[in-house]
Amino acid sequence: DIQMTQSPSSLSASIGDRVTITCRASQGIRSYLNWYQQKPGKAPKLLIYAASNLQSGVPSRFSGGGSGTDFTLTISSLQPEDFATYYCQQSYNAPRTFGQGTNVEI
Amino acid sequence: QVQLHESGPGLVRPSETLSLTCTVSGGSVSKSDYYWNWIRQSPGKGLEWIGNIFYSGATNYNPSLKSRVTISVDTSRNQFSLELSSVTAADTAVYYCARTQVVVAARYFDIWGQGTLVAVSS
Repeated sequence: DIQMTQSPSSLSASIGDRVTITCRASQGIRSYLNWYQQKPGKAPKLLIYAASNLQSGVPSRFSGGGSGTDFTLTISSLQPEDFATYYCQQSYNAPRTFGQGTNVEI
Repeated sequence: QVQLHESGPGLVRPSETLSLTCTVSGGSVSKSDYYWNWIRQSPGKGLEWIGNIFYSGATNYNPSLKSRVTISVDTSRNQFSLELSSVTAADTAVYYCARTQVVVAARYFDIWGQGTLVAVSS
């Protein structure tokens, strides 16, 4: 299985901050990397697919980058509704695997 | 728009079989464009992909669960189902159903159900 490792596991930030989360794959996955946002008691929500493509309806302050083994999710100016847990997920091969999550808190 | 909704018992006894159903509304499980997935989330193991099914009945399972998992589809009811046998406390989790597209470049989980908590306890 491909292991996905996110860093940091949690971070504290303020409204308006620029926030970057990193995801590393245990082997090359080209650009088959997706990012999700999850709020308490809710299902994950797709933010970014294929490393850098913004899902329809997702604010443009979210962006993704990287390829191969190293990827980033950036929130350019943190908003109150962005406090949540973020997960990366590889879709390069089966079984699909997720990172352990990054909790973004105040 | 397409919506997914999980249903099933919230409590299962150890060694028994967990059974859940995902009902698809606003779309069809019979479309050849999609795979239909089960994913679970537990505090101990995070998000874990269980497996998926195509409308034809073809399945893919996570090797870690393959010996205990069966996913099936009922096109007449527009539903797909999960059975997990010989459950233990480690199978306690929130179970989600989710959709992915067949196109390789689009195999992300774009639509999720709200999730259902299943506890394994005597």
